Amino acid sequence: AQSVTQPDIHITVSEGASLELRCNYSYGATPYLFWYVQSPGQGLQLLLKYFSGDTLVQGIKGFEAEFKRSQSSFNLRKPSVHWSDAAEYFCAVGRYAGNMLTFGGGTRLMVKP
Amino acid sequence: KAGVTQTPRYLIKTRGQQVTLSCSPISGHRSVSWYQQTPGQGLQFLFEYFSETQRNKGNFPGRFSGRQFSNSRSEMNVSTLELGDSALYLCASGFGGSLQETQYFGPGTRLLVL
Repeated sequence: AQSVTQPDIHITVSEGASLELRCNYSYGATPYLFWYVQSPGQGLQLLLKYFSGDTLVQGIKGFEAEFKRSQSSFNLRKPSVHWSDAAEYFCAVGRYAGNMLTFGGGTRLMVKP
Repeated sequence: KAGVTQTPRYLIKTRGQQVTLSCSPISGHRSVSWYQQTPGQGLQFLFEYFSETQRNKGNFPGRFSGRQFSNSRSEMNVSTLELGDSALYLCASGFGGSLQETQYFGPGTRLLVL
């Protein structure tokens, strides 16, 4: 069975500082990997996704993620965090057949002014 | 282009009652997936419909059911509500139901069971 672990439940960074959110997955085949963001009272918005090819993926809002098969990781990064990035971030893995996503527990990001 | 619409946005029910939630996907989308989000269990997949057929189902009891209509709108029903069913229920829509396409999530329906 597939699973996703986000080791950090909460992270606080200063505005302008760099950010890395960790994600580890367990999956028997080549995974489809995703990062979503959820602001309070809102649904999920897709930041980026990885299926194959270049292991460094660029997303919206200046985010990027790197797929490392040897470490079963798909960490999300941003070079300079803005106050508006404060939200909850979810890593997810999907399988080729069907449209089902398995989500990690989420990481809540707080941004200090 | 209108986004995914979920109605109602908020709902309060009592134990033992049943509830029906509605999801209207983005125009042209034929796939609708449902997720339950709770503080304890996180985001969990309920089921997915594509062209009126249930294609995948998560590990939830039979009290949770759904359907999709010919216009791609979807409903989910929870019978005999339990306190643990209190959650944010999210639906997501996509064109053909492939993960290579972007799924768009609605704002969710927040259900409180008393």
